[in-house]
Amino acid sequence: AQKVTQAQTEISVVEKEDVTLDCVYETRDTTYYLFWYKQPPSGELVFLIRRNSFDEQNEISGRYSWNFQKSTSSFNFTITASQVVDSAVYFCALEDSSYKLIFGSGTRLLVRP
Amino acid sequence: SAVISQKPSRDICQRGTSLTIQCQVDSQVTMMFWYRQQPGQSLTLIATANQGSEATYESGFVIDKFPISRPNLTFSTLTVSNMSPEDSSIYLCSVRRQGSGELFFGEGSRLTVL
Repeated sequence: AQKVTQAQTEISVVEKEDVTLDCVYETRDTTYYLFWYKQPPSGELVFLIRRNSFDEQNEISGRYSWNFQKSTSSFNFTITASQVVDSAVYFCALEDSSYKLIFGSGTRLLVRP
Repeated sequence: SAVISQKPSRDICQRGTSLTIQCQVDSQVTMMFWYRQQPGQSLTLIATANQGSEATYESGFVIDKFPISRPNLTFSTLTVSNMSPEDSSIYLCSVRRQGSGELFFGEGSRLTVL
């Protein structure tokens, strides 16, 4: 069965700290895609990244970076030098072979000033 | 990114009534999806809206409760029928642009059923 686990329900950090959000997935597909979305308090879902299962290179975008490790079925997300505006719920998701997204339960990040 | 407009953005409804949510995209898209996010929960796929044919529903969701239309490649509607308080959720439209793997979401329609 396809499944995404975000074990951290809530994380609280002080501004400028680095924080890593964990994501572990299960799938029997050999080709799949992984996503991260941000949901700020306003409610909209903001697309952050889509990663192909064949591309295990780490990706960096500004203060955001992602570590994809197929050996441990993990796709972790790190925010460097966190800011108050990073406070949101972050969802990891797995795309199945019919293009549907299976979401994790989300991690609520609170960045305190 | 695709520009996705959802209407209404929020509504308060009475038990037993029905509400139709609209999703308009600024360009043609191959795939459109409807998701539900219950309070404090993650997102769950309701159905895939197929252009010109009946929607494909996920387990636990039925057409009588959530009828969906998709008359063209830029527009879809989701109706929440005979609402009960348990239907209070955010309903989100999602699209995949042709040639792109990125999946974008509308701003959501927040429904409260009294």
